[in-house]
Amino acid sequence: NAGVTQTPKFQVLKTGQSMTLQCAQDMNHEYMSWYRQDPGMGLRLIHYSVGAGITDQGEVPNGYNVSRSTTEDFPLRLLSAAPSQTSVYFCASRGNPGQGNSGANVLTFGAGSRLTVL
Amino acid sequence: QQPVQSPQAVILREGEDAVINCSSSKALYSVHWYRQKHGEAPVFLMILLKGGEQKGHDKISASFNEKKQQSSLYLTASQLSYSGTYFCGTGPISGSARQLTFGSGTQLTVLP
Repeated sequence: NAGVTQTPKFQVLKTGQSMTLQCAQDMNHEYMSWYRQDPGMGLRLIHYSVGAGITDQGEVPNGYNVSRSTTEDFPLRLLSAAPSQTSVYFCASRGNPGQGNSGANVLTFGAGSRLTVL
Repeated sequence: QQPVQSPQAVILREGEDAVINCSSSKALYSVHWYRQKHGEAPVFLMILLKGGEQKGHDKISASFNEKKQQSSLYLTASQLSYSGTYFCGTGPISGSARQLTFGSGTQLTVLP
């Protein structure tokens, strides 16, 4: 049971390049989300998904795309990277309601992906 | 709108106590506390629901003041392992962790 797995751990991009941050979970969680963490700003929600085929925007969605073709995977795409997107990105999933042990109240985070845009 | 955490940073000696506050300009329904150790992912500590009881986790407890729209995290007899950044997140009345809005964090350093 690996939990939430993010790749890559580190990435350096040049302005204008594109890339995809991968996120996979093996807990059969329907809800998945992406946060970015910046100094002094805490964790800010970028996009989230409540199940395969369903995505929605969070607080700071501009410059990012997501899709959810399977329950397990929730990739985050940067189409044209900008220096303002330099950050640490966390993927998180939540337990499904009704499965007991209050899993729906708990976010499980991946280890994070540190992205630098030059 | 992000909840406001205070203080931004606190330095303690082992065995001392600390309080971290989380307040919101909007009505609070549920408050979720997470701790992030340096270079690691945030980890769930506890959740407080509107009208619920004060919670505890080892020597860490928290309260929820509905009138003040504030939650406080109490760290008693701090241990070195308590060092890290503490985040509060606000959520819906159900307590669901969906679409949590986090504060900017409080960095806690416990010295020997």
